[in-house]
Amino acid sequence: LAKTTQPISMDSYEGQEVNITCSHNNIATNDYITWYQQFPSQGPRFIIQGYKTKVTNEVASLFIPADRKSSTLSLPRVSLSDTAVYYCLVGDMNSGNTPLVFGKGTRLSVIA
Amino acid sequence: DTAVSQTPKYLVTQMGNDKSIKCEQNLGHDTMYWYKQDSKKFLKIMFSYNNKELIINETVPNRFSPKSPDKAHLNLHINSLELGDSAVYFCASSQEMDITEAFFGQGTRLTVV
Repeated sequence: LAKTTQPISMDSYEGQEVNITCSHNNIATNDYITWYQQFPSQGPRFIIQGYKTKVTNEVASLFIPADRKSSTLSLPRVSLSDTAVYYCLVGDMNSGNTPLVFGKGTRLSVIA
Repeated sequence: DTAVSQTPKYLVTQMGNDKSIKCEQNLGHDTMYWYKQDSKKFLKIMFSYNNKELIINETVPNRFSPKSPDKAHLNLHINSLELGDSAVYFCASSQEMDITEAFFGQGTRLTVV
């Protein structure tokens, strides 16, 4: 599995756009990039997944450059409720035998 | 309806006891997992079951024994509990065992005293 590296923590004020970058230099051709969010005292929750370029949903956007060695999760206009740990995962979603492997994640603190 | 439900939510017990945590999913998924999140918040996979069959068994003491009576249930039984077993245990499920959208339960906070 490709190793991922993320900042340990980030702070942001409410209303700002937050970008969390994840490095995955050893990403394989078949690997997808997936982000999860974990609120305190809850289980992780799937946010977004992508393979290349840009993916957007109602929660976030995921930007993946052409070399796919990194990805950026973008949260528009964060609120206090976006305070959580964000995990970047990389793996082959079609292998049939790869479980979710979580790294240390990025702890985002949104300040009023 | 809760997609993945675990019981109990909190569990406080003494060293040496045996305890079980139950998990049920109503999503019709084929794969279920148990994860352990320790005090440093590292989330590590323990077991993975696909269609009631054990697929992954990470380096977990033999005191931990998962049991899957059917596809919708994956229970975790722990024998001879130790202080180091204190953690939050999460059950999860996904349609297949790959990096796709997995659904996690609320977790069971186990405290061994």
